[in-house]
This record gives sequence, C-alpha cells and structure tokens, in this order.
Amino acid sequence: AQSVTQPDIHITVSEGASLELRCNYSYGATPYLFWYVQSPGQGLQLLLKYFSGDTLVQGIKGFEAEFKRSQSSFNLRKPSVHWSDAAEYFCAVGAFSGGYQKVTFGTGTKLQVIP
Amino acid sequence: DVKVTQSSRYLVKRTGEKVFLECVQDMDHENMFWYRQDPGLGLRLIYFSYDVKMKEKGDIPEGYSVSREKKERFSLILESASTNQTSMYLCASSRTGTQGNQPQHFGDGTRLSIL
Repeated sequence: AQSVTQPDIHITVSEGASLELRCNYSYGATPYLFWYVQSPGQGLQLLLKYFSGDTLVQGIKGFEAEFKRSQSSFNLRKPSVHWSDAAEYFCAVGAFSGGYQKVTFGTGTKLQVIP
Repeated sequence: DVKVTQSSRYLVKRTGEKVFLECVQDMDHENMFWYRQDPGLGLRLIYFSYDVKMKEKGDIPEGYSVSREKKERFSLILESASTNQTSMYLCASSRTGTQGNQPQHFGDGTRLSIL
C-alpha cells in the first residue's frame, strides 16, 4: 500500500522568500504524485501533478515540484512567496489498487507568510 | 472547469439524527469520493464509488453509508450521528484513467457539527 509523509506540520516564511515543502512517499511501483492547496474554508485545488517523463513539473501560481526517485521525494518549491500563498498544502500519491483508483494524502503542511 | 457542489457549507445536527450530505458533479466523472478532514490527520477516505450503484469502503467507513443512484450525485449518510463525527467533509470526483493518474476535483466542503 502507498503512503505519504509530510514531515513539516507548520512552516513560516517571509513574503518574497523562497519556499520548499517536503514530501516523501512510499510505493512499490511508479508513483503518480500530486500537490494540492487548500485555502481556509475551501476545498482542495490541484497545483500540479507528476505522471512520468520530466522530473521537474510546473504548476499553477508559480509553483514547481521535483520528483526524485532515489530519495522517494516530491518536494514543492516556489522562488518567491506571496502573502496569498498562505494556506495548507497536501501531497498525495495515486495508484490503482485492487482494481480501483486510490489516492493517499499526506497530513498537510500549513504555510504562514509574514510581511 | 469541473464543478463539484456540496449542498451545505455548514450543518449542525444532534446526536442520533440521520444526516445526509449531498454532492453533485457536472463533468460526467465516473469516480466519486467522500473524505473527512480533521486537524493533524489530513484527509481520510470514507467511501468511494466508481460507477452508478457501486460503492466501496475506504479507510474509515464505520458509522457511514453512501448512495449513488445517478452518475452525477453521491450522498454520504450518517445513520445515527455521534459527536465524534463532527468534522469537515469533502467530496471529490475524478475521471477514470490508467494507473490512477487522474486528479481529483474537490468541492468546498461541509463543516458538520454534531451536538
């Protein structure tokens, strides 16, 4: 079975600083990986996804993520954080299991942005 | 854009009541999901459905049931609500892909309080 670990529960960065959110996964085959963002009181919005090919994927809102198979990681990055990026971020791994599509989510990282 | 609509943003019910949470999607997606979200626990899958009248248990199905009579609608039922079911409930839908690679689209959530 797949699993996802987001080791940082809470991160605080200054506006304009760079950001990296960590995600480690466990899965026996080729993973399908996602990053979602959740603003307060809202549902989850897809930021980006990795299926195969280029290990550096670009997403919306200026985010990117890099898949590193050797480290079982899929870290999310942004070069310059804006105050509107304050939200909770979820990493997820997807696969077929027992004939069904199953997505497993991490426990989330809450991002605070200070002026 | 895919639209996933949950019938209520906030709901307050009493213990022992039968509670219905409704979810509708407008993109003809085969798969629909119900999650609950609790602080520090991330998203946990309650039930999912990959076709009309089909349902499968997720990771925490106890105390819940579901109904999918039409492709676009997926209902979550709390048979006899209890205080430990106070939570944020998120509905999602996705298209069937190969190897589970289709992102899920989320509704805005229903914050349910059981008194």
